[in-house]
Amino acid sequence: GQQLNQSPQSMFIQEGEDVSMNCTSSSIFNTWLWYKQDPGEGPVLLIALYKAGELTSNGRLTAQFGITRKDSFLNISASIPSDVGIYFCAGLTYSGGGADGLTFGKGTHLIIQP
Amino acid sequence: GAGVSQSPSNKVTEKGKDVELRCDPISGHTALYWYRQSLGQGLEFLIYFQGNSAPDKSGLPSDRFSAERTGGSVSTLTIQRTQQEDSAVYLCASSKGGSWDTQYFGPGTRLTVL
Repeated sequence: GQQLNQSPQSMFIQEGEDVSMNCTSSSIFNTWLWYKQDPGEGPVLLIALYKAGELTSNGRLTAQFGITRKDSFLNISASIPSDVGIYFCAGLTYSGGGADGLTFGKGTHLIIQP
Repeated sequence: GAGVSQSPSNKVTEKGKDVELRCDPISGHTALYWYRQSLGQGLEFLIYFQGNSAPDKSGLPSDRFSAERTGGSVSTLTIQRTQQEDSAVYLCASSKGGSWDTQYFGPGTRLTVL
């Protein structure tokens, strides 16, 4: 089946630093999604990317859909304590019958030291 | 409520017992999804309901797992003869129509099989 390789697995950074994480795959995806999960909660959608090469921002977050449609990155600028959590990438594929399903990466655990 | 709710929030059971996990989707959402999240892993798709269509059960790991959705709203995920490897967080999500890219997740049920 399809697999997403997400890196890094964890990050220990200082408050105020910029963060970068990425996902790669050998498969092509039609849509890339980035989620954040806080402890004891379900994932919350941060950014959705629909076109190859698309660059989208949401406040301090910026994400890009790779031109080959096989990768994506998420950047967080000037990190703050509430950015702590697990970030997941997810890829979505479609066929004639609709969505084929959502494949998730294993997550990047972001830890911020004040 | 305003969001997806799940119950119980935690469930501890003995190996071999059956368990039922409940999901209440957002009102008006016709699509409902179940995922499993094992420790340190991404989300693993289990089953998808959309309106009155036959559910997509392609992600169910074994015939011990089943799910139903009554009246197009509440869903129950049943695991029979639980095994220790079933221990995980079970997440439910819902969306309008079949919009896989706009799923809203519940907080999950943490299942521990002793």
